[in-house]
Amino acid sequence: AQSVTQPDIHITVSEGASLELRCNYSYGATPYLFWYVQSPGQGLQLLLKYFSGDTLVQGIKGFEAEFKRSQSSFNLRKPSVHWSDAAEYFCAVRNNAGNMLTFGGGTRLMVKP
Amino acid sequence: DAGVIQSPRHEVTEMGQEVTLRCKPISGHNSLFWYRQTMMRGLELLIYFNNNVPIDDSGMPEDRFSAKMPNASFSTLKIQPSEPRDSAVYFCASSPLRGPEAFFGQGTRLTVV
Repeated sequence: AQSVTQPDIHITVSEGASLELRCNYSYGATPYLFWYVQSPGQGLQLLLKYFSGDTLVQGIKGFEAEFKRSQSSFNLRKPSVHWSDAAEYFCAVRNNAGNMLTFGGGTRLMVKP
Repeated sequence: DAGVIQSPRHEVTEMGQEVTLRCKPISGHNSLFWYRQTMMRGLELLIYFNNNVPIDDSGMPEDRFSAKMPNASFSTLKIQPSEPRDSAVYFCASSPLRGPEAFFGQGTRLTVV
C-alpha cells in the first residue's frame, strides 16, 4: 500500500530565510507526487507536481521540489520565505495504476517577522 | 471553470439528524474523491469514484456514512444518524481519470452538537 510521511509537524522560519519541508513516500513504482498548500479555512491548492522526467520541478509562488528515487523523497523548497507563505503544506502520492491519492499528515509552517 | 463546488460551506446539526453534503466536480473529470479533515487524524480518504462507480470505500468510517454519484456532475456524502465525532471539514476533489492532479473544493465544515 502507498503511504506518505511528513516528519515535521511544525516548522518556524524567519521571513527571508530558506525553507525545506520533508516528504518521504512508500510505493512500489514511480508514483505521481504532489505538494498542496492549505491556508486557514480554505481548501487545498496545488503547488507543484512530479510525473516523470526532470527530477527538479518548479511550482507556483516560487516553490520547487526535488524527486529523489534513491531516498524515496520529494522535499519542498523555497529560497526566501514570505510572511504570506504561513500555511499548512501537504505532500501526496498517487497510485498511477489505481487512482488512489494519499496524503501525508501535513507540516504547519509559521513565519517570524 | 468554476472549480469543484461544495455545498453547504457550513452545516450545524443536532446529533441524530441526517446530513447530506454535496459536490459538483469539474466538468470532464472522471474521478471524484471525498476526504475528511480533523486535527487528530489529518486528511483521510473516505471514498473515491471512477466514472461514477465507487472504487474504494474502505475509508468510510461505518455504516452511518454513505456516498453516491448518480451522474458525472454530482455526488453526495450522507451521514445518518450524525454524531458529534463526525464534526470535521469534508472535502471533495476531482481529477481526470487517472489524473494525475486532483483539484479540491472549499470544503464543508460540519458541526454536530
